[in-house]
Amino acid sequence: DQQVKQNSPSLSVQEGRISILNCDYTNSMFDYFLWYKKYPAEGPTFLISISSIKDKNEDGRFTVFLNKSAKHLSLHIVPSQPGDSAVYFCAASATQTGANNLFFGTGTRLTVIP
Amino acid sequence: DGGITQSPKYLFRKEGQNVTLSCEQNLNHDAMYWYRQDPGQGLRLIYYSQIVNDFQKGDIAEGYSVSREKKESFPLTVTSAQKNPTAFYLCASSPQGMGNYGYTFGSGTRLTVV
Repeated sequence: DQQVKQNSPSLSVQEGRISILNCDYTNSMFDYFLWYKKYPAEGPTFLISISSIKDKNEDGRFTVFLNKSAKHLSLHIVPSQPGDSAVYFCAASATQTGANNLFFGTGTRLTVIP
Repeated sequence: DGGITQSPKYLFRKEGQNVTLSCEQNLNHDAMYWYRQDPGQGLRLIYYSQIVNDFQKGDIAEGYSVSREKKESFPLTVTSAQKNPTAFYLCASSPQGMGNYGYTFGSGTRLTVV
């Protein structure tokens, strides 16, 4: 059973516009969320994270929003650049259970069109 | 320069053969993980290890085996019992409690059965 879901397999956005990537989760014990970026034939790299005590975290062009009541988070990239073209994975963890495991979504392939 | 190294980058295996994928980290991380990525399936957990000499099955452990004799090393053996081994394999590590950045991933090994 997929506990973290990314329902959009792909997204295309014009350069300079906003990219919004969405992620939903089902486990109410999840309290830490991360976004990873992955280029082909490479490992994912950490992009940004958010704890459940916050509803927003911003780092440069990247902002993550968390809506705990809806069990939904989103990653906003603005302005989008061609180098942002990659697969983005949402991940979640229940850190207060002591578990170290991350649960990943299936990824969204973002294409930024020059 | 700390990191996690997977080798080889590309690996070809004949049907019926076992093959071992290497994963080494010098980050002093306690936990290590193996994931498999197939097109459209995201990252699926094969095995993980929280400490030396201990490891646990993930979601798709059948046909795989691991060992954790040293903190730095977590090799994955793909056995002949794995029915569909062609995939991109990712190794990751994390400190206990995961830290702020979740997992650090290697650059992956692409295994092809010929």
